[in-house]
Amino acid sequence: KAGVTQTPRYLIKTRGQQVTLSCSPISGHRSVSWYQQTPGQGLQFLFEYFSETQRNKGNFPGRFSGRQFSNSRSEMNVSTLELGDSALYLCASSSSGPRQETQYFGPGTRLLVL
Amino acid sequence: DQQVKQNSPSLSVQEGRISILNCDYTNSMFDYFLWYKKYPAEGPTFLISISSIKDKNEDGRFTVFLNKSAKHLSLHIVPSQPGDSAVYFCAAIRDTDKLIFGTGTRLQVFP
Repeated sequence: KAGVTQTPRYLIKTRGQQVTLSCSPISGHRSVSWYQQTPGQGLQFLFEYFSETQRNKGNFPGRFSGRQFSNSRSEMNVSTLELGDSALYLCASSSSGPRQETQYFGPGTRLLVL
Repeated sequence: DQQVKQNSPSLSVQEGRISILNCDYTNSMFDYFLWYKKYPAEGPTFLISISSIKDKNEDGRFTVFLNKSAKHLSLHIVPSQPGDSAVYFCAAIRDTDKLIFGTGTRLQVFP
């Protein structure tokens, strides 16, 4: 079974630009969660999508948004990038939600904002 | 407001000895706890979990202890191996709510 894939793996943007990150979950998984990892902050929950509906949302500004398609693939968008948005963005998929031990993470997209 | 805290950013242990990683939480409503391990350039991988109705769960070299009254959990690795060198994250969840991670502890196991 193929794992969770994230594209692109690395990205450099400048302040004010927007960015879209993509996550393809494991086949059959309907839940996709997004996390931001920064030094000193650990992994912070952004949002979770299940069957194309946002089921949970973290404490991030509205510049961070996401969506999920009918094939469970998910995208995350950040508009008006700020320097502090530089981070590793991880997505994770599972069959029913993050409570499951069988939540699998992708390798992440490392975003650098200059 | 950090609901899940890992106060030790790093830990160094000799191969063969015990590694103890600690995690504290503030929300008494959390009812499920998980540990993840993360190698560089890879996503976190699930290690072991524990329900709040238990105080111990064991899986091979890994044991997680939960002390609900102290709102504290710990991960014991015995014996530690060089391949255990990684960043360890504890995480907590309530019902089907979001998973809250700690800031991570970098474990280094040296020969």
